[in-house]
Amino acid sequence: AQKVTQAQTEISVVEKEDVTLDCVYETRDTTYYLFWYKQPPSGELVFLIRRNSFDEQNEISGRYSWNFQKSTSSFNFTITASQVVDSAVYFCALSNYQLIWGAGTKLIIKP
Amino acid sequence: NAGVTQTPKFQVLKTGQSMTLQCAQDMNHNSMYWYRQDPGMGLRLIYYSASEGTTDKGEVPNGYNVSRLNKREFSLRLESAAPSQTSVYFCASSEDRGTSTDTQYFGPGTRLTVL
Repeated sequence: AQKVTQAQTEISVVEKEDVTLDCVYETRDTTYYLFWYKQPPSGELVFLIRRNSFDEQNEISGRYSWNFQKSTSSFNFTITASQVVDSAVYFCALSNYQLIWGAGTKLIIKP
Repeated sequence: NAGVTQTPKFQVLKTGQSMTLQCAQDMNHNSMYWYRQDPGMGLRLIYYSASEGTTDKGEVPNGYNVSRLNKREFSLRLESAAPSQTSVYFCASSEDRGTSTDTQYFGPGTRLTVL
């Protein structure tokens, strides 16, 4: 069975701190895709990244970075120098014919 | 280029009433999806359509019907609304044909309350 676990229900940090959101997945497939989405308080779902299972290179986009480790079935997301605008719920998702969503991590950035 | 649009944004129904949620995309995507999001949970797939003329059940299809009217539009119908269907409904689309391997782009959501 496929499953995505985001064990951190809620994280609260002070602005400018670095923060890592964990995502652990389960799948028996060798080909799969992983995604991160952001849901700000306004409610829309914003796509952040898509990664296929054959590409284990870490990715950096500005203050955002992602660490994909197949050996531990993890796809963690780090925000460097967090800002209040990063406050949102972040979802990790696993895809193989259907998108399986984690429960989300609520990130609160305090000024 | 509006992306994915949904109507209405908010709706309040009484138990037993029916309604249709509308979704349209202008990205020429093949696949379209309907999800529901309940508090403290991730999204759950209700129905999806891999191409015009086809629809398939997702994880939680009971109580819903869908229509893929054409390539652009995918509607979700609640025939007899129940309080358990109170939720936020999201429509999404992607370029793939029902494999969910491509990025899904989401509409703004419909907040539905059933009294």
